[in-house]
Amino acid sequence: GAGVSQSPSNKVTEKGKDVELRCDPISGHTALYWYRQRLGQGLEFLIYFQGNSAPDKSGLPSDRFSAERTGESVSTLTIQRTQQEDSAVYLCASRLTETQYFGPGTRLLVL
Amino acid sequence: AQSVTQLGSHVSVSEGALVLLRCNYSSSVPPYLFWYVQYPNQGLQLLLKYTTGATLVKGINGFEAEFKKSETSFHLTKPSAHMSDAAEYFCAVSEGRGAQKLVFGQGTRLTINP
Repeated sequence: GAGVSQSPSNKVTEKGKDVELRCDPISGHTALYWYRQRLGQGLEFLIYFQGNSAPDKSGLPSDRFSAERTGESVSTLTIQRTQQEDSAVYLCASRLTETQYFGPGTRLLVL
Repeated sequence: AQSVTQLGSHVSVSEGALVLLRCNYSSSVPPYLFWYVQYPNQGLQLLLKYTTGATLVKGINGFEAEFKKSETSFHLTKPSAHMSDAAEYFCAVSEGRGAQKLVFGQGTRLTINP
């Protein structure tokens, strides 16, 4: 079956520009997560959606970061006024029971 | 709050040798524990998980891990390394049933020498 997909796979942008990253979770998965992975480091939790509950935004590093999810489907992570420190791989995961399944990530480079 | 420590950011073994990747965690409640593998330019793939029951869990590609509560450890092993095992390995913990977030270790890069 189809796994978690993310687009674009790579994004190069200039400092100060806004970017949108997309995640399509596995169909039927009620929970969706965004993580950030800086070069050579582990995963940092950003935000979590569960059904119709208010999202857990406790990991968002600044108010330049926001995310939305339409029902139990697509999610978009938006970074406004990008900074060079935002360069990283952004990973999305979805979950039905206890296991999170990850997408391939979007590699973001801010010049 | 939970935390995960992976001892050794880089581990190198010879092909055919034992693979041992160490993971220690802290959690205030019985944890769920996971090992994920990440191949270059790919997302994370679940290797194995411990939730409840048998403390020795077997995963894909010949890997296994043992949950040791007294040592707060969940070390990953494989008896005989293969070249295809070269990748980054991440240990993660959640707070068990009902918990929503995973906390990841910093990762261990495994290199296999021919």
